[in-house]
Amino acid sequence: LAKTTQPISMDSYEGQEVNITCSHNNIATNDYITWYQQFPSQGPRFIIQGYKTKVTNEVASLFIPADRKSSTLSLPRVSLSDTAVYYCLVGVPGYSSASKIIFGSGTRLSIRP
Amino acid sequence: EAQVTQNPRYLITVTGKKLTVTCSQNMNHEYMSWYRQDPGLGLRQIYYSMNVEVTDKGDVPEGYKVSRKEKRNFPLILESPSPNQTSLYFCASTQRGSYNEQFFGPGTRLTVL
Repeated sequence: LAKTTQPISMDSYEGQEVNITCSHNNIATNDYITWYQQFPSQGPRFIIQGYKTKVTNEVASLFIPADRKSSTLSLPRVSLSDTAVYYCLVGVPGYSSASKIIFGSGTRLSIRP
Repeated sequence: EAQVTQNPRYLITVTGKKLTVTCSQNMNHEYMSWYRQDPGLGLRQIYYSMNVEVTDKGDVPEGYKVSRKEKRNFPLILESPSPNQTSLYFCASTQRGSYNEQFFGPGTRLTVL
């Protein structure tokens, strides 16, 4: 399973764009990259997933370079409610060799007024 | 409404008293999983199940049992709870395949005295 490395914490201000990068040097060919958001005492919530290049949804964008050894979650114009822990995961549940899921330590994002 | 439910949400018990935390999903998902979350350690997978009667160990299975007799239910059993199992527990489910969009339950906060 690919191990992921993220910054432990980040600070930003309301209205700014925030980019959180995740390293996953040992990503396998079949692996997708998924990002989750977690608020205190709640279960993680799926944000976005991608395989390569760029994926965008109503919440965020995910940038994945050609070598796929890293990925960047981009949150446009953050607000105080984006203060949370963000996890990057690599893997594909349901395939026999990669059905374990490993959450890294996550990035604690703090947004200030 | 598509959801994962867990019961109980809060539980205080004593060492050695067997307990079961139930988990149920109404999305017909094949893959279900249990995690525990502890301060500074992030989310760690306990057990997962790829389908009915198919279960496997995650990263921290010691002291836990699971069963998957029906597709919708995936109970977590602590035969003889110990204080080091005091934690916040999350159940999650997802469709098998290429996507890692896990849906998490609301969590069960367990205290073992």
